[in-house]
Amino acid sequence: AQSVAQPEDQVNVAEGNPLTVKCTYSVSGNPYLFWYVQYPNRGLQFLLKYITGDNLVKGSYGFEAEFNKSQTSFHLKKPSALVSDSALYFCAVNTDKLIFGTGTRLQVFP
Amino acid sequence: NAGVTQTPKFRILKIGQSMTLQCAQDMNHNYMYWYRQDPGMGLKLIYYSVGAGITDKGEVPNGYNVSRSTTEDFPLRLELAAPSQTSVYFCASSYSDQRDRVKVSPLHFGNGTRLTVT
Repeated sequence: AQSVAQPEDQVNVAEGNPLTVKCTYSVSGNPYLFWYVQYPNRGLQFLLKYITGDNLVKGSYGFEAEFNKSQTSFHLKKPSALVSDSALYFCAVNTDKLIFGTGTRLQVFP
Repeated sequence: NAGVTQTPKFRILKIGQSMTLQCAQDMNHNYMYWYRQDPGMGLKLIYYSVGAGITDKGEVPNGYNVSRSTTEDFPLRLELAAPSQTSVYFCASSYSDQRDRVKVSPLHFGNGTRLTVT
């Protein structure tokens, strides 16, 4: 069965510092991997995806993610965090249906 | 372009009542999904559909039913509401072409329905 794990419930980072939100997955076969962001009282919004090709994927709002097949990871990164990046972030994996992680709350402090 | 529209936005039900959560998309997406979001639990897939006339169970289907008579609409039915169904429900849609792995669009989400069962 496919699964995705986000080991951190919350990540705190100072504005201007780099940020990493972790995600690991377990699937049979090659995965489709996604990151979504959720702002309060809203549905999830797509950030980026990995289907095939380059392991470093660039997405919206300056975010990027690195696919690591040997470590089965797909960590979300940003070189310089903004206070407005504070939100709930979800990693997801898709083989025949999309399964989400439990989410990581990112708090960026000024 | 409306995207994914969910109605109602809020609803309070008494135990044992029934209701239908409506979801419509205007992007001609073949896949549609229903998720529930509970605090600290992330999103759990209730049901999904790969096209009109086809539905399948997700992770937590008990207590719910769906239908997909058209490409655009994917209503979620609660027959006997229970307090455990108190949650925020999200509908989503996407286009997936399994013959071409590159043609997998991201999910487009509605803004959710907040349901309380008391």
